[in-house]
Amino acid sequence: DAGVTQSPTHLIKTRGQQVTLRCSPKSGHDTVSWYQQALGQGPQFIFQYYEEEERQRGNFPDRFSGHQFPNYSSELNVNALLLGDSALYLCASSRDWNTEAFFGQGTRLTVV
Amino acid sequence: SQQGEEDPQALSIQEGENATMNCSYKTSINNLQWYRQNSGRGLVHLILIRSNEREKHSGRLRVTLDTSKKSSSLLITASRAADTASYFCAGPNFGNEKLTFGTGTRLTIIP
Repeated sequence: DAGVTQSPTHLIKTRGQQVTLRCSPKSGHDTVSWYQQALGQGPQFIFQYYEEEERQRGNFPDRFSGHQFPNYSSELNVNALLLGDSALYLCASSRDWNTEAFFGQGTRLTVV
Repeated sequence: SQQGEEDPQALSIQEGENATMNCSYKTSINNLQWYRQNSGRGLVHLILIRSNEREKHSGRLRVTLDTSKKSSSLLITASRAADTASYFCAGPNFGNEKLTFGTGTRLTIIP
């Protein structure tokens, strides 16, 4: 079992550009959540997908959007990148909300 | 808003000693989870304790939960250099499935 995999591992983008991050959940998991972690901070919840729909959303602007595919993999899209979007983006998957969440290694996004 | 608030923010101990970290949370939880994060990498799930449990063990880890005080503690016994990491607690509320993390406890094990 490969666990949760994220791609790419590192990414450098310019202000104003758009970025897409990808996540494949752990086998058997149908719920995918995305988190943003700034340096020295804890992860902040962006949104959660289940059955291809956004089930819950954190306090992030509409520039952050996502998608879940029929195979449960997911994408996080960020439009009009700002310098403040530089962070580690983490994907987590779980079987349901009341069980352990497993995290990928993250995508380090740097906006210049 | 934060659900988990870890204390202390930083902890340095000698290898072989025990490390205790505490977590306080604000609203009722269904379960509480502890995670470890090595520098700049993904979170590793350590242990999940449900709201009807008071104590749970996994290897060198011992977690307690006091729902009346809305607090939990993580004890790492016989610490090793490889335990150097940041530790976070997080828990979903009833009807609110997201995990809400604090800023973590930075644990340093001195060889």
